[in-house]
This record gives sequence, C-alpha cells and structure tokens, in this order.
Amino acid sequence: GAVVSQHPSRVICKSGTSVKIECRSLDFQATTMFWYRQFPKQSLMLMATSNEGSKATYEQGVEKDKFLINHASLTLSTLTVTSAHPEDSSFYICSASSPTGPTTGNQPQHFGDGTRLSIL
Amino acid sequence: DAKTTQPTSMDCAEGRAANLPCNHSTISGNEYVYWYRQIHSQGPQYIIHGLKNNETNEMASLIITEDRKSSTLILPHATLRDTAVYYCIVRDLITGANSKLTFGKGITLSVRP
Repeated sequence: GAVVSQHPSRVICKSGTSVKIECRSLDFQATTMFWYRQFPKQSLMLMATSNEGSKATYEQGVEKDKFLINHASLTLSTLTVTSAHPEDSSFYICSASSPTGPTTGNQPQHFGDGTRLSIL
Repeated sequence: DAKTTQPTSMDCAEGRAANLPCNHSTISGNEYVYWYRQIHSQGPQYIIHGLKNNETNEMASLIITEDRKSSTLILPHATLRDTAVYYCIVRDLITGANSKLTFGKGITLSVRP
C-alpha cells in the first residue's frame, strides 16, 4: 500500500537553529501533502497544505515565515522550522494522498511516522 | 467538514470485540466517514472508510446507520496492540484526495489482558 516516509524521526537542537523535516511519498506521486503538529496529550492540528509547484496554504495562526514549506517534486515536501525556540518543540507529522484510481475522491491519506522536535 | 463526537475513552478485554461509536449528525451527502488510529508516538494509521454501506477490511468493520448520522468501528478480536487513540473523521468527497482531515480528540481505547 501507499507509504509515506518522514525524516528525521527525532531532532534535538539548540534554540535559534533552523531544522528541516522531509516528507516523501515512496510509491506514489502526491500533488498535495499536509503538515500537522501535535503537542503532548492533544490532537493533531493542521498547519499547512503543501502544493507541488506552488505556494503552501497555511492555516490561521501559523506563521508562514517561521514554518517554510517547499514542495519541489511530486514525491517530496519539506518543512523548515526557522530560528526554532523551545515553544516550537512538538511532534510534526506529514501526510499525503495517492490520487490514483477511478474515484480519487475517496482515497485515504497516509501519514508518516512523525518527527519529534525538541528545542533546548 | 462536519464535526464528529466520540466518547473520551473505553476499554475492552483482549480477544473480545471492541465497538467504537461516533456521532456525525450534521454529515452531508458528499462526506465520507474515515477512521484512523494513533498508537503512542507514531503517526496516524488509516483503518477504514465508508460512505453509506457497511465496510469490512482486514483490520476492522465499519457500520454506518441508515440516516448516516452515526457509525461504529468494530475491531472483531481486540489485542493489546490495538490500544490507541481512534479518530472518527468526516471528509468532503468533492474536494477529494486533496481535502484536509480535521482531527478531534478521538477515543482512547485501552485493551486489557
């Protein structure tokens, strides 16, 4: 089945560092990928929708200059947390849908295993 | 997307069926019901989805009421590895594969030995 790979799985870095997270669709092409963030004991919150070849669409309250998204190919989207601070520490998760088949409207999204970001 | 409501938590004995309810009383005709689960510190895992007919796959069964206002996810023989948070989500068919998922709080299923 469709597989989404996310890398790295865990990052620990100093405050002020920029961190890049990669999300790859391994066996399908994804024109759209999604980035979520999850704080402890909370549900997933959508941050942005990543569109191949165009600008990402950010949810209300998400700073686009802080969370840079690049979707340069049909199999790769990256999220860069710029100048990260301790409050950016969270579990970041990406997802993508496989838009193939006769009824693309009901293709499930598949998720990566997440990246746990810890800013010291 | 229409909202869903789920109980906060439930438990069941290992080997028994786990029936997880979900209410989606404002669902519209072009919205599917999706179920995902999230095991601790992992990304969500797709389980099953349906529009109006009952569905079954290797993981679970999905029973949708005739008026589509509620559904039940059934894990026929729960194991300890099924302990997770289960999310019931409705998703717009028209915008299709590129439509976003809105996660609620889900229901925490605890399977006891």
